[in-house]
Amino acid sequence: KNQVEQSPQSLIILEGKNCTLQCNYTVSPFSNLRWYKQDTGRGPVSLTIMTFSENTKSNGRYTATLDADTKQSSLHITASQLSDSASYICVVSVPTGTASKLTFGTGTRLQVTL
Amino acid sequence: NAGVTQTPKFQVLKTGQSMTLQCAQDMNHNSMYWYRQDPGMGLRLIYYSASEGTTDKGEVPNGYNVSRLNKREFSLRLESAAPSQTSVYFCASNFGRGRVTGELFFGEGSRLTVL
Repeated sequence: KNQVEQSPQSLIILEGKNCTLQCNYTVSPFSNLRWYKQDTGRGPVSLTIMTFSENTKSNGRYTATLDADTKQSSLHITASQLSDSASYICVVSVPTGTASKLTFGTGTRLQVTL
Repeated sequence: NAGVTQTPKFQVLKTGQSMTLQCAQDMNHNSMYWYRQDPGMGLRLIYYSASEGTTDKGEVPNGYNVSRLNKREFSLRLESAAPSQTSVYFCASNFGRGRVTGELFFGEGSRLTVL
């Protein structure tokens, strides 16, 4: 069982609608939780980074929330655009000695249609 | 500002052939990483380099070697390619030395097919 589970696996929404992607994790303790956007055929690009003490962080139309007690995070996309079509990856960072272990979720594939 | 640059973008190999993936970053980052991305799985760390002159194994190092040529460049070598190494490979870099501090920047990926 993956230590970072994302849901749904895929999602189709109409342009202009809002959506929320979920991330549940079991790894602990963690340093931070990250959300990345990965366009098809491209590398992941960072959207937000939250420490365990932060509840919410926004980046334009993207808002990430974190509940460290329930080990859940969500990424809310407001007023979706066609360019939001991508995979969204949740990543949990755990300190390991002098390094960090990043555990990646398998992503949610979002398609925004007209 | 190019960020993280990987070459080649695409490569087809036959089983047993060798090749090297090149990665360079121009952000003066200390740490560099090589990941692989396979369908249905999260990115997995192959090797990383916390600073110039050091390298360490990640989660899936078997069948790979790396070289941190200088602060800018980090290469990944497949000595004898196997079909199981068919994947998309991503290089990444970060300012931290070992600990991932702030943003982790990724390259555009290298798609490798081993026949």
